[in-house]
Amino acid sequence: GAVVSQHPSWVICKSGTSVKIECRSLDFQATTMFWYRQFPKQSLMLMATSNEGSKATYEQGVEKDKFLINHASLTLSTLTVTSAHPEDSSFYICSAATSEPYEQYFGPGTRLTVT
Amino acid sequence: AQTVTQSQPEMSVQEAETVTLSCTYDTSESDYYLFWYKQPPSRQMILVIRQEAYKQQNATENRFSVNFQKAAKSFSLKISDSQLGDAAMYFCAYRRNNAGNMLTFGGGTRLMVKP
Repeated sequence: GAVVSQHPSWVICKSGTSVKIECRSLDFQATTMFWYRQFPKQSLMLMATSNEGSKATYEQGVEKDKFLINHASLTLSTLTVTSAHPEDSSFYICSAATSEPYEQYFGPGTRLTVT
Repeated sequence: AQTVTQSQPEMSVQEAETVTLSCTYDTSESDYYLFWYKQPPSRQMILVIRQEAYKQQNATENRFSVNFQKAAKSFSLKISDSQLGDAAMYFCAYRRNNAGNMLTFGGGTRLMVKP
């Protein structure tokens, strides 16, 4: 149980285009979902926290207009990187949290390459 | 703000031997959780072990155990009988015991296992 999927697993896009990444909790309802960014050989950096039906809470330094997060249902959250640039190339990981005891389960990640 | 520090960027261990990964954290909270996550080359985050701060007994999961020193704010991971499959990045993480609170990760330790 407690499986989280991400789609796509790898995406290449041209500079200036937008790309959407989906995060789904497959067998549980996620009250909260988190989006992380991970650079090579570095730790996970929290970008934003989203709760179903409400606006995401972004961490300091994360551009909310560039990284659009939508948490439309208890099993789906999406991250849209708008007007992508090469510096947005990174590994993006989502996690989904259950209700009590608020355990987080991680998706397999999405590698974004912007050319 | 909470911080998590892993002072060992890299560690190596001989197969079948024991290795200990260090983690310290800083918090003013009394009710929280601590975790060790493994990130293999696939980059899927895998929960290795969790510790509830109010429990004095150290958590154990098969070959993995922790040494939780609450007063010292130390949370080390011991891997016994190391296996080649244990080679990965290991992240220590902290979470307050409230709904929706995010994980704070340490910088990670790369563990290499020598055959």
